[in-house]
Amino acid sequence: SQQGEEDPQALSIQEGENATMNCSYKTSINNLQWYRQNSGRGLVHLILIRSNEREKHSGRLRVTLDTSKKSSSLLITASRAADTASYFCATDAETGFQKLVFGTGTRLLVSP
Amino acid sequence: GAGVSQSPSNKVTEKGKDVELRCDPISGHTALYWYRQRLGQGLEFLIYFQGNSAPDKSGLPSDRFSAERTGESVSTLTIQRTQQEDSAVYLCASSPPLDLTEAFFGQGTRLTVV
Repeated sequence: SQQGEEDPQALSIQEGENATMNCSYKTSINNLQWYRQNSGRGLVHLILIRSNEREKHSGRLRVTLDTSKKSSSLLITASRAADTASYFCATDAETGFQKLVFGTGTRLLVSP
Repeated sequence: GAGVSQSPSNKVTEKGKDVELRCDPISGHTALYWYRQRLGQGLEFLIYFQGNSAPDKSGLPSDRFSAERTGESVSTLTIQRTQQEDSAVYLCASSPPLDLTEAFFGQGTRLTVV
């Protein structure tokens, strides 16, 4: 079964607005990553946050991690039409190897 | 090449036929993953190779699915006696032998079983 569940499943906003997506997971993790997917093909890595970190920034992206609630959020500020894509969180279990398990994804639509 | 390469990009096959999908990971990457993604759905983990360790096959949906990897290079995913529900995009990813690292994805193979 999938480790992560994102919500909302779909999000529609206007350019310039902020977009917030949430991810919940089930087991203890080493790290959590967010990926972006355009047009249903290959995924591109956006940002990685370690289990001992609470917040991380990269450009217009802000990620938070709450290990007590087993949840993470991805905030995209000042969104652009080019941000339209599906966004997935991925976790690797605390024990064992780096096997990445992905969530169900949030489809973001940014309208001009 | 510079990235993860998958072939073919698209494959249409008749129900009951076997198909073989290929993944060339980035050179030096010890970890290799296969995922399945049905239309509009998330990524479903299939199998994970890490160096010379035994692969994690826990995600393979049935015994019709198998995968092999030659050392730390090419991997093939084989689906025998394909069914219509096997139609999906099959994504391969690789990552280097480091902790806390990202996975690099290929563009996937879109499989259509008719």
